[in-house]
Amino acid sequence: NAGVMQNPRHLVRRRGQEARLRCSPMKGHSHVYWYRQLPEEGLKFMVYLQKENIIDESGMPKERFSAEFPKEGPSILRIQQVVRGDSAAYFCASHRDTRNTEAFFGQGTRLTVV
Amino acid sequence: DAKTTQPNSMESNEEEPVHLPCNHSTISGTDYIHWYRQLPSQGPEYVIHGLTSNVNNRMASLAIAEDRKSSTLILHRATLRDAAVYYCILRVNNAGNMLTFGGGTRLMVKP
Repeated sequence: NAGVMQNPRHLVRRRGQEARLRCSPMKGHSHVYWYRQLPEEGLKFMVYLQKENIIDESGMPKERFSAEFPKEGPSILRIQQVVRGDSAAYFCASHRDTRNTEAFFGQGTRLTVV
Repeated sequence: DAKTTQPNSMESNEEEPVHLPCNHSTISGTDYIHWYRQLPSQGPEYVIHGLTSNVNNRMASLAIAEDRKSSTLILHRATLRDAAVYYCILRVNNAGNMLTFGGGTRLMVKP
């Protein structure tokens, strides 16, 4: 099992461009969570998805950010018209189910907006 | 979510035990105590979790106070690889798995 895979590991975008971050959960895991970590800060929850459904997006900025987890393929976090303040590390985590099980995190995507 | 309080940083010598404290005085009966750690430039990594009883696994031990208002993560022999930020997190069972990270404790291990 390769673990949670995120790509790209590093992404550089100019202001106004779009950023697409991908996350493939562990095999057999259907619950995906996205977190953002600003420089020198802790991780903040953004969104929780199950296959084809957004369960909780309370931590997601209302504009420019969207997430999906299609029936086939990885989960995608999309940031439109990026600004310098979007520069951060974005981590994806997957769970097997909703019980109190451990979360498996990916290595993250480090987004730099120039 | 119930809040946790941890020291900002701690230091340890290599191959000595480390006790990382966490206060959670507002913990409710359904909150599980989880510990994760984040090594430099990596994603968080699960360490251990428990509800009421002390727990042991290959990475660490978790000692939970009888009143559950505090807990201690114990690394039995710190190595340089254990240098990381350690997060103590409370999670309600079956309430979704999102984790609320605080500031954590930055553990520095001296050779």
